[in-house]
Amino acid sequence: QSALTQPASVSGSPGQSITISCTGTTSDVGRYNYVSWYQQHPGKAPKLILYDVSSRPSGISKRFSGSKSGNTASLTISGLQAEDEAAYFCSSFRPDTTRVFGGGTKVTVL
Amino acid sequence: EVQLVESGGAVVQPGGSLRLSCEASGFNFADLNMHWVRQAPGKGLEWISYTNWNGELKYYADSVRGRFTVSRDNSKSFLFLQMESLAKEDTALYFCVKEKAASNYFDAWGQGTQVTVSS
Repeated sequence: QSALTQPASVSGSPGQSITISCTGTTSDVGRYNYVSWYQQHPGKAPKLILYDVSSRPSGISKRFSGSKSGNTASLTISGLQAEDEAAYFCSSFRPDTTRVFGGGTKVTVL
Repeated sequence: EVQLVESGGAVVQPGGSLRLSCEASGFNFADLNMHWVRQAPGKGLEWISYTNWNGELKYYADSVRGRFTVSRDNSKSFLFLQMESLAKEDTALYFCVKEKAASNYFDAWGQGTQVTVSS
């Protein structure tokens, strides 16, 4: 049960845009539009920021957007802010286990 | 307000057992699928277990299958995780997680309960 692949770290300056990739396989990311993204600040529980590839829950900033191409989903944070510094995890539906996570990406605001 | 409150975490010796509990409130617990997710110190999230709304369908990650058992008491709005044959690799913060109705994502997380396996 391999995890989805994310870059370990991504950084950007305030106001810039960054993109985090999440690569799976034809059995998960590539097959279903059930990719979700979670933000986790240190010492806190994860928080849902995107679901079904590109949908935002109520209260989540429009600066967060998502897309998918083939086996790779992406999270873009535009207008980077200091409060965006956190770990980000992608997740996909997978029929054999129901869920799988990516390894996580640490976002640093320079 | 949706609340998930985990308990039962402790320091346990290798080979030992532990039972985690999660008390749910603020939503119709009996209608919803639930999960356990864990996070080892300084590491990422690892999905480990799922139970459907009535407890008849259960899935486990390879890393815990045969050692961990998920269950639920819908009359009391509790989710449980019975953990056996614990190993150092099971040391982690264990989260109780709610699945959005008729969806495939997690819309609420507890704060977690710490399990430490150490001699």
